[in-house]
Order: sequence, then structure tokens, then C-alpha cells
Amino acid sequence: NAGVTQTPKFQVLKTGQSMTLQCAQDMNHNSMYWYRQDPGMGLRLIYYSASEGTTDKGEVPNGYNVSRLNKREFSLRLESAAPSQTSVYFCASSVRDRGGEKLFFGSGTQLSVL
Amino acid sequence: LAKTTQPISMDSYEGQEVNITCSHNNIATNDYITWYQQFPSQGPRFIIQGYKTKVTNEVASLFIPADRKSSTLSLPRVSLSDTAVYYCLVGADRSGANNLFFGTGTRLTVIP
Repeated sequence: NAGVTQTPKFQVLKTGQSMTLQCAQDMNHNSMYWYRQDPGMGLRLIYYSASEGTTDKGEVPNGYNVSRLNKREFSLRLESAAPSQTSVYFCASSVRDRGGEKLFFGSGTQLSVL
Repeated sequence: LAKTTQPISMDSYEGQEVNITCSHNNIATNDYITWYQQFPSQGPRFIIQGYKTKVTNEVASLFIPADRKSSTLSLPRVSLSDTAVYYCLVGADRSGANNLFFGTGTRLTVIP
């Protein structure tokens, strides 16, 4: 059971380049999320998708776009990368199981923008 | 939206019980309290969740007083492998919500 899978694990970009971070989950969860984590800080929500076909902005959406391709996959795109987007990116999915919502995270993508 | 306040860091010796308290004064009626653990270079991992009173699982206990304005994560007999950052979140009352905020967490260091 792979859970939440993110690719790539590491990426270096030059300012202005574009790229897409991929995320897939095999737990049949409806909701998926993209977070970023800067050194010494907590995670901040970029975008989320409550269900297939819907996406909404989180706390820090500027400079990013997302696509909920199907129930399994939720991608994050940087159209024109900036040094301020250097961070570790985490994808998550969630389920409500005998209580409140529970998040399951991927292992992260470390992105450096030069 | 309910925000949380936790100590920035804590140290503990191996074998001791560790209690990490989280304040959430503006918790909403439907909010759950959830704790996550994060090791370096990994995504956070769910530890425990509760709504009121006490919840216990194989990893930890969660104590929630009647007013629900705070909660305490209790880790029994910690080992070196429990060194991690622990996050307290409130919300999680509905699917796909954007009301789950991770603060800076509590960095627990377990000392031999």
C-alpha cells in the first residue's frame, strides 16, 4: 500500500522556469491538499481539493496553480518559478474516519529555485 | 478559524513521560483536536485525535478538559526515536476543509 506518492523528490529550477509537481494517492480519498514548509516553520496550505473536479485556494496560493486530474491525482504547477518558492512541498489526502478528518502525507518534494 | 499555541521546544530524557500542551482558546463546537508527528525529511504523520475527555491509542494519550480550550498530548516512556516535531491542529470537522492550520509545532528532543 503506497499511500501518497509524490514526484520528483528533488528539483532545482532557475528563476522563470516552470514545472509540475505530481501527487497520487491510492487510498480512495476524496480530499487532497498541497502544503509548503519553509525551514523552521510549520506547513502552510497552498491549495486544496475537497473532491474530484473542485479546487480552492488555501493560505498561500499566489504563484501556483493546481489540477485535480481524477480522484487519485492532484498536481501543483509553478508557471514561473521564483526564489521565494524555494521550499519543501507536501501533498496530502484525507479521510473522515470515526471522528474528524485525518491527513495522510507524502514524503515531500524539495524544490530549490536559483 | 481556530489557531493554536504550543511551546516551541522541549527536552526530555529517555524513559520519561512527556506532556505537550496546546492552547486553542477559540475552538469551535464542531472542531476536533488532532496531533501529528514529523521527522526530518518526512511528511507529518497522524498520531491521535479527540473531541473531549481522554483518548488513548498504542502510541499516545490525549487529554481534553471540559472547556476544550486546551489539550495535552502525553507520550509514555519516550525513546530517542520520539525526537520529532509535534503539531497540534484544531478543525477537521468536515472533508476537504481549509481550516486545518499547522503552527510551528513543538520540537521534542529526547536525550539519552
